[in-house]
Amino acid sequence: SQKIEQNSEALNIQEGKTATLTCNYTNYSPAYLQWYRQDPGRGPVFLLLIRENEKEKRKERLKVTFDTTLKQSLFHITASQPADSATYLCALVRVGGNKLVFGAGTILRVKS
Amino acid sequence: EPEVTQTPSHQVTQMGQEVILRCVPISNHLYFYWYRQILGQKVEFLVSFYNNEISEKSEIFDDQFSVERPDGSNFTLKIRSTKLEDSAMYFCASRAAGGQETQYFGPGTRLLVL
Repeated sequence: SQKIEQNSEALNIQEGKTATLTCNYTNYSPAYLQWYRQDPGRGPVFLLLIRENEKEKRKERLKVTFDTTLKQSLFHITASQPADSATYLCALVRVGGNKLVFGAGTILRVKS
Repeated sequence: EPEVTQTPSHQVTQMGQEVILRCVPISNHLYFYWYRQILGQKVEFLVSFYNNEISEKSEIFDDQFSVERPDGSNFTLKIRSTKLEDSAMYFCASRAAGGQETQYFGPGTRLLVL
């Protein structure tokens, strides 16, 4: 069956450290993968998109990697801040597809 | 920066009643979506809409659901006869045409069916 899995446990890190979140998928052929941030009771906010033929994308303190052989994407936040505390969602769109299929999300808590 | 907006932010209704959730997508976008998120669960796709017709729908999107773009700016989701299990956050999203794949989400409508 098709699955998108993210760390189910919350990630607790100290301010200033790098947070690394994982997204693994099985039985998908993704055309691209997106990372979103979601705060409690709010809508997902787009962060980064990476296509199947791209290895890495960066935006300010954010970096995403995509390994289609391992079927995995890693999302990094460098120099993390308490304001980065949120749930981070990974979402795929299949080749030829249109809809986003989401993982369950990982809660990140950055402590000062 | 353009945003997707949704109204109302909260809706409480009795089981069996009809509800209409409204969205104003980003103005130059051509693809429109509804997703929902039951409390504590994943965001789930409901339906996509392009060129004035449904392009894809999920198993959740049964005959009780319908979508409409009544004018050039609004995009609505109607639930004809609400059930308790329809209680969720409903998110509208939109994206531009062509190679612009990013979907931008609205803030959501929290629907509570009693």
